[in-house]
Amino acid sequence: DTGVSQNPRHKITKRGQNVTFRCDPISEHNRLYWYRQTLGQGPEFLTYFQNEAQLEKSRLLSDRFSAERPKGSFSTLEIQRTEQGDSAMYLCASSFELRFRNEQFFGPGTRLTVL
Amino acid sequence: RKEVEQDPGPFNVPEGATVAFNCTYSNSASQSFFWYRQDCRKEPKLLMSVYSSGNEDGRFTAQLNRASQYISLLIRDSKLSDSATYLCVVNIGTGANNLFFGTGTRLTVIP
Repeated sequence: DTGVSQNPRHKITKRGQNVTFRCDPISEHNRLYWYRQTLGQGPEFLTYFQNEAQLEKSRLLSDRFSAERPKGSFSTLEIQRTEQGDSAMYLCASSFELRFRNEQFFGPGTRLTVL
Repeated sequence: RKEVEQDPGPFNVPEGATVAFNCTYSNSASQSFFWYRQDCRKEPKLLMSVYSSGNEDGRFTAQLNRASQYISLLIRDSKLSDSATYLCVVNIGTGANNLFFGTGTRLTVIP
């Protein structure tokens, strides 16, 4: 399978704990995105990388959230001191930009439940 | 005002019917447009890209009206397998090149 992969698929944690998610994009894609989706809503942009550079972060991304893409390949998203409001599906997507074409392909997501 | 607005539905249609969804966007500088399909508890999957006035792929037709700032998706001869949530997505073309998603329109095709 050469699609976007994410691990873990599910994570249950207690409030106050730190969690880390991993995303492996499609290998030839230079852009990687993180989104958050809650029930009944569309995905909301969190942050994106072009190669290893983090080029933009949403206002939704509080200081407790940090993302890295150290070698321009896989990425990690860490949430520190989790809160119940962090419970959501965290989606990763990747794309290869060509002019204005920007089809993004999503991974299966990591479903986070904070108790 | 939201960047992208869709009628959440639900749309319940019989098998074989034609159904159309509309989506409006607020930023006139938007560069590109997409329809994604999302099944329950699954990730969004790209259905169609719309870069000019429209696009057709089999039973699916997407149209773009820049003057009125809306995109439509037409599904002909609906199949049971078309039941899903359809997400309208707009790339507003700013530095982030990020996508803004509508909340989705839920379609159920009934036998």
